[in-house]
Amino acid sequence: EAQVTQNPRYLITVTGKKLTVTCSQNMNHEYMSWYRQDPGLGLRQIYYSMNVEVTDKGDVPEGYKVSRKEKRNFPLILESPSPNQTSLYFCASSLVTGGRGTEAFFGQGTRLTVV
Amino acid sequence: DAKTTQPNSMESNEEEPVHLPCNHSTISGTDYIHWYRQLPSQGPEYVIHGLTSNVNNRMASLAIAEDRKSSTLILHRATLRDAAVYYCILRDVDLGNDYKLSFGAGTTVTVRA
Repeated sequence: EAQVTQNPRYLITVTGKKLTVTCSQNMNHEYMSWYRQDPGLGLRQIYYSMNVEVTDKGDVPEGYKVSRKEKRNFPLILESPSPNQTSLYFCASSLVTGGRGTEAFFGQGTRLTVV
Repeated sequence: DAKTTQPNSMESNEEEPVHLPCNHSTISGTDYIHWYRQLPSQGPEYVIHGLTSNVNNRMASLAIAEDRKSSTLILHRATLRDAAVYYCILRDVDLGNDYKLSFGAGTTVTVRA
């Protein structure tokens, strides 16, 4: 089954404690990205990757890092989480070769609370 | 990104069709019209997309105006499972980040049993 898998689904952490949210897709997609969703602000892109070793900032990259060492994985790293990073996070993937009409697949989300 | 305008909310009865409008008066010739939906407590889910012609798939139909300044997502027979937020998105390929999805507020669809 084609899917994007995020882990963990729920996470409560303390300010400053480094954490990683993993994202893996099984569709051989080139493009992967991270979004955060906040009430009243909708979904905003954090980082994206066009392919292995190619990453770039989205609209709200401050406080986040990513890496793309393998095509299937795109972890989101919070080196020093702060309470304003409390949010619902989604990973997504899509084909690049499919062109502009290609659909994106989203993970189930990770609800992060930083206290 | 080209902007879309959708109603905040719509209600429907189960088994009846739902027509969700989207205005995109500043659409460019290369923008694809995409629809996604987000069910409660889930990630967004692709519904349908089109460029100029009307499109049908197992989930819905997309009717695109001749001037492309508006479109309508049609759910032919709403079920309770169709209750979600529906997003109309234009894919703008000229900004470098061609595969980014710019989500607006969407339309919250409520389906009454």
